[in-house]
Amino acid sequence: GAGVSQTPSNKVTEKGKYVELRCDPISGHTALYWYRQSLGQGPEFLIYFQGTGAADDSGLPNDRFFAVRPEGSVSTLKIQRTERGDSAVYLCASSLRRGGLNEQFFGPGTRLTVL
Amino acid sequence: DQQVKQNSPSLSVQEGRISILNCDYTNSMFDYFLWYKKYPAEGPTFLISISSIKDKNEDGRFTVFLNKSAKHLSLHIVPSQPGDSAVYFCAAREIQGAQKLVFGQGTRLTINP
Repeated sequence: GAGVSQTPSNKVTEKGKYVELRCDPISGHTALYWYRQSLGQGPEFLIYFQGTGAADDSGLPNDRFFAVRPEGSVSTLKIQRTERGDSAVYLCASSLRRGGLNEQFFGPGTRLTVL
Repeated sequence: DQQVKQNSPSLSVQEGRISILNCDYTNSMFDYFLWYKKYPAEGPTFLISISSIKDKNEDGRFTVFLNKSAKHLSLHIVPSQPGDSAVYFCAAREIQGAQKLVFGQGTRLTINP
């Protein structure tokens, strides 16, 4: 499949633990986005990568959240000292940045549950 | 301060009839408006978009209308089919920088046979 993939599909953890969520974007897509969708809400922007650098991390809720994209392809969202309020579906999207609409293609998401 | 709002959490329409989903926004710094469709356990899938300089875009059974003076857009699906049953998200793309998408809360559309 040539779409955006995310692993794991589900993650259950205990309050206070550390988690890593992985995103494999579509090959050749230079732009990568992380969004978070809480129950009954639409996705909310977290962070945007252009290549390897985090060009906009204004959506990260606090310093427990961090994301990397070291080689400009796969990205990992890292959450330290998880809290119950972090429970949500974390979505990754990728796109080309060539002008025009630059449609964002979404992965299936990782459902994170913090007990 | 929800910038994009979908005020109807759910909508039920009979098969063959027209479905109309509505969306309002408050920020003028958007250059595209998009509709995404989402099935359970899947990511949102792009459906149709409209540039902020247009007032209508049509693609098959789907038409999106944009009323800039009212800061309102709508998605029309005609005729509605059972496979259209899903959650629909309205999204607006910011002009500058990350071009991130700002989403509404979603409307669950159910098409009844």
